[in-house]
Amino acid sequence: DVKVTQSSRYLVKRTGEKVFLECVQDMDHENMFWYRQDPGLGLRLIYFSYDVKMKEKGDIPEGYSVSREKKERFSLILESASTNQTSMYLCATHQGGQEMYEQYFGPGTRLTVT
Amino acid sequence: QKEVEQDPGPLSVPEGAIVSLNCTYSNSAFQYFMWYRQYSRKGPELLMYTYSSGNKEDGRFTAQVDKSSKYISLFIRDSQPSDSATYLCTMDPGNTPLVFGKGTRLSVIA
Repeated sequence: DVKVTQSSRYLVKRTGEKVFLECVQDMDHENMFWYRQDPGLGLRLIYFSYDVKMKEKGDIPEGYSVSREKKERFSLILESASTNQTSMYLCATHQGGQEMYEQYFGPGTRLTVT
Repeated sequence: QKEVEQDPGPLSVPEGAIVSLNCTYSNSAFQYFMWYRQYSRKGPELLMYTYSSGNKEDGRFTAQVDKSSKYISLFIRDSQPSDSATYLCTMDPGNTPLVFGKGTRLSVIA
């Protein structure tokens, strides 16, 4: 069964802290994605990766970076957290070489920056 | 103009009603049209998809695509309280990440 796990369900951090959100998949999927989801704005793509050590900017990469050292793990990094980064963060995966449509999502991390 | 437009609702209907959820889009390159369902405090899950124009039925759910009008719909027949969720339309132009609508929040009242 497909499984995407995220390191925390809820996280509270202070402004200026460095924050790591981790996503791990057990499906051997090549493609991984980070989104944030906000009321009224929907899902917005932050970064994605088609392979280990590869990364591509999404629609809203400012203030974020990512790391993919191993195929199964994709990390989102907030270098200096700010209150406007309070959001629900969702990781997703997709098997490369197929149509894009079936993405598998993790349960999400609700991050609050105070 | 946003690539995908979706009315965020909320939409509240009585149990047993027929529900119609809709999205419009602007990019004629979209080939796959999908609906994801997201329950509260969960990640989205693929509900249905269609390729190009036409209808697709799965139980109480029907997905419809009209490429000439750039309009897609999801119909839910005999709606149940368990259908209460946020429904996201999404589209795939073929070789780039999915483009999501903002999602419509649906409540089915028993």
